Amino acid sequence: GQQVMQIPQYQHVQEGEDFTTYCNSSTTLSNIQWYKQRPGGHPVFLIQLVKSGEVKKQKRLTFQFGEAKKNSSLHITATQTTDVGTYFCAGRDKSGNNRKLIWGLGTSLAVNP
Amino acid sequence: EAGVVQSPRYKIIEKKQPVAFWCNPISGHNTLYWYRQNLGQGPELLIRYENEEAVDDSQLPKDRFSAERLKGVDSTLKIQPAELGDSAVYLCASSHRTGIYEQYFGPGTRLTVT
Repeated sequence: GQQVMQIPQYQHVQEGEDFTTYCNSSTTLSNIQWYKQRPGGHPVFLIQLVKSGEVKKQKRLTFQFGEAKKNSSLHITATQTTDVGTYFCAGRDKSGNNRKLIWGLGTSLAVNP
Repeated sequence: EAGVVQSPRYKIIEKKQPVAFWCNPISGHNTLYWYRQNLGQGPELLIRYENEEAVDDSQLPKDRFSAERLKGVDSTLKIQPAELGDSAVYLCASSHRTGIYEQYFGPGTRLTVT
């Protein structure tokens, strides 16, 4: 079945350093979504990517969708303590009628002030 | 706009007892999801409703879990009887429709089974 892998599982950075998390799917995706979950909180939608090679930016966050639509990345420039949390990617399989999102296990980001 | 509402926020029960969780989605959202999230893991879909119809319940342990979404609005997820391994956070989410729409999550119910 479809699998979505995320790396790294954990990342610890100094405030001001950059951070990147990668998401890889075993199958071609129709779209991919990114969510952020703060400690003790619930997942909050960040963005959705649909087109091959798409790049979207939200302030210090840059999201990319691979040309083959099988991988994606989230890059944070100059991390801040407010970026702490777990970042999940969730992809929808391009084939079949099942429109279920498959979630990665997330990348937990810790930021030292 | 009010977000997804869930209750209770916390529940502690002994094993073999029943428990129920309630969810009120965002007004106008046709699709409702129940997820289970274990510590350090991503959300695991239990069931997805489109209006009042359960369209994906393949991951729902049907021997002890049940869910309903009467009238296509509020939903209830029940576990009977609960087991120690059911301890987790149960998240409800809703979206405008299934497909390319983002999901909005409620605060979750943290269940502890002792």
